[in-house]
Amino acid sequence: GAVVSQHPSWVICKSGTSVKIECRSLDFQATTMFWYRQFPKQSLMLMATSNEGSKATYEQGVEKDKFLINHASLTLSTLTVTSAHPEDSSFYICSATPRQPNEKLFFGSGTQLSVL
Amino acid sequence: GQNIDQPTEMTATEGAIVQINCTYQTSGFNGLFWYQQHAGEAPTFLSYNVLDGLEEKGRFSSFLSRSKGYSYLLLKELQMKDSASYLCAVRDRWQAGTALIFGKGTTLSVSS
Repeated sequence: GAVVSQHPSWVICKSGTSVKIECRSLDFQATTMFWYRQFPKQSLMLMATSNEGSKATYEQGVEKDKFLINHASLTLSTLTVTSAHPEDSSFYICSATPRQPNEKLFFGSGTQLSVL
Repeated sequence: GQNIDQPTEMTATEGAIVQINCTYQTSGFNGLFWYQQHAGEAPTFLSYNVLDGLEEKGRFSSFLSRSKGYSYLLLKELQMKDSASYLCAVRDRWQAGTALIFGKGTTLSVSS
């Protein structure tokens, strides 16, 4: 089946620093990738939809200047958490689908971000 | 608005059968998904329903009634490793690049 790789798996950083998370589709081209955030014991909340070659579409309440998304190729999307604060500590998960509508979303392994 | 409801927690014993219900109200509908998620890990796909009825896959089955906005996931012959969170998710339109809308998840605890 399709594989989505996400890196890093976990990161600890100081408040005020920026953190970049990478999401790669390894065996298919992903025109669209999605970034979700999950707080403990909560569900996955869609943050933004990342489209290759164009600007990302952010969900209501998500600051586009704080969560920078770049989808430079059909296999790579990056999420950068800028000037991270403790309240940004969360589990970030990317997902992707192949170009054609598909019955599944394929998820990366997730990134646990802890901001001190 | 979009709303997906499922119970927060359930408990069961090894070897038993458990049914996790999910109700949804969404602006459109093009498929209901069930995912399993262990703590600190990404969700893994379990099942997909787009037409009414029961889909069976080994120990797991999923049912859908579009007219009622209702689905359930049935787990048979429960094992300890089935202890996890089960997420119900809906895709609200048929279009490439459509994200899934997730419920809050049901935490299932299986005891011996």
